[in-house]
Amino acid sequence: AQTVTQSQPEMSVQEAETVTLSCTYDTSESDYYLFWYKQPPSRQMILVIRQEAYKQQNATENRFSVNFQKAAKSFSLKISDSQLGDAAMYFCAYRSGSDSNYQLIWGAGTKLIIKP
Amino acid sequence: DTGVSQDPRHKITKRGQNVTFRCDPISEHNRLYWYRQTLGQGPEFLTYFQNEAQLEKSRLLSDRFSAERPKGSFSTLEIQRTEQGDSAMYLCASRPDQSGYTDTQYFGPGTRLTVL
Repeated sequence: AQTVTQSQPEMSVQEAETVTLSCTYDTSESDYYLFWYKQPPSRQMILVIRQEAYKQQNATENRFSVNFQKAAKSFSLKISDSQLGDAAMYFCAYRSGSDSNYQLIWGAGTKLIIKP
Repeated sequence: DTGVSQDPRHKITKRGQNVTFRCDPISEHNRLYWYRQTLGQGPEFLTYFQNEAQLEKSRLLSDRFSAERPKGSFSTLEIQRTEQGDSAMYLCASRPDQSGYTDTQYFGPGTRLTVL
């Protein structure tokens, strides 16, 4: 069975600086997708960034980028120029490419604190 | 686009009572998911619908839990004879029926259940 591990329960960063959130996963599959979702306090979960395992190029979305290391089964999220609005729980998630139901397997989350 | 909505946002009930939650997905989304999220954890998959058909149900889901999506639009999640261990945030998510980036799940704000 696939598992997703986020080893940092909490991270803090000074506003405008860069922070990296870690995620590792375990799978025997070669076809899968990885996601980072953000859950602000009392607000709904939203997708931050998505990575297909077959793509070697790391995904980027504005200030958010990933470091996808397929052999190491690592999928970290880098947030550049941190802003107060980035404060949230961040969840890493995995989806099997062979799962027709597109079920997501989630990590436990990392709470990101932005210091003004 | 009004997004995914859930009602109620908060529910406090006494142990042994029945509760029902409602989820209204984004209108063109025919796939719908229910998750449970406890404090400090990532979401746990509960069940999944394609249109009105319930295609998958987690082994975590006891017989006290039932979900329906009668007309393939809104969905309800009922918990009978609630227990204190049912206290959690119940999240609903929907997505359209295409592959690619549209496999993104769009989440509602959740219903927070407290069982006294």
